[in-house]
Amino acid sequence: NAGVTQTPKFRVLKTGQSMTLLCAQDMNHEYMYWYRQDPGMGLRLIHYSVGEGTTAKGEVPDGYNVSRLKKQNFLLGLESAAPSQTSVYFCASSYPTRGAVTFSGANVLTFGAGSRLTVL
Amino acid sequence: KQEVTQIPAALSVPEGENLVLNCSFTDSAIYNLQWFRQDPGKGLTSLLLIQSSQREQTSGRLNASLDKSSGRSTLYIAASQPGDSATYLCAVRGSGAGGTSYGKLTFGQGTILTVHP
Repeated sequence: NAGVTQTPKFRVLKTGQSMTLLCAQDMNHEYMYWYRQDPGMGLRLIHYSVGEGTTAKGEVPDGYNVSRLKKQNFLLGLESAAPSQTSVYFCASSYPTRGAVTFSGANVLTFGAGSRLTVL
Repeated sequence: KQEVTQIPAALSVPEGENLVLNCSFTDSAIYNLQWFRQDPGKGLTSLLLIQSSQREQTSGRLNASLDKSSGRSTLYIAASQPGDSATYLCAVRGSGAGGTSYGKLTFGQGTILTVHP
């Protein structure tokens, strides 16, 4: 029962370098999210996806791109890393509610353990 | 714009005390509210989720209440233990467009709880 797995757990980049964070979930969840957590700022949504092949911008999308080619994977890319992107990144996934039907576990977010990124 | 505030920012109590963590939100048009626990260096673990139509949810020693009209939720922890030490976050989900269940999830800053033996 892996749940949500993020790789890598730690990474140090130089300004201008690119990298991709991978999120994988084995719960057949339709919704997936990328958040960043910064001291004093709480968790902020970067991008999200409501299904395979779909993505949408969240609260702080600038400087990031995402892809959801497979239902179980949600990739977060940094094309040209900046020191302001130093943060802890969390991936999460959830079931949606189907119309008026609410079932146990719907909308409950399951988070990965986080990826700590430092940009020098 | 939805804003979520958690009070207090930090709380230190002796083991065995009953305690209350507070969460307030500015826009009462929410779909649900969720309480999470975060241990240092770890991800978030969902504790309780309250749908907008519900008043409270209970799990073991935890009880969460929701008063949507006043924009408040409380997390009650009974008989606190050192293992309860963590950061507790609440998050509210707004109602999605077109009646969908997806709406923006807004997090509070969290309450850092320390329970000492």
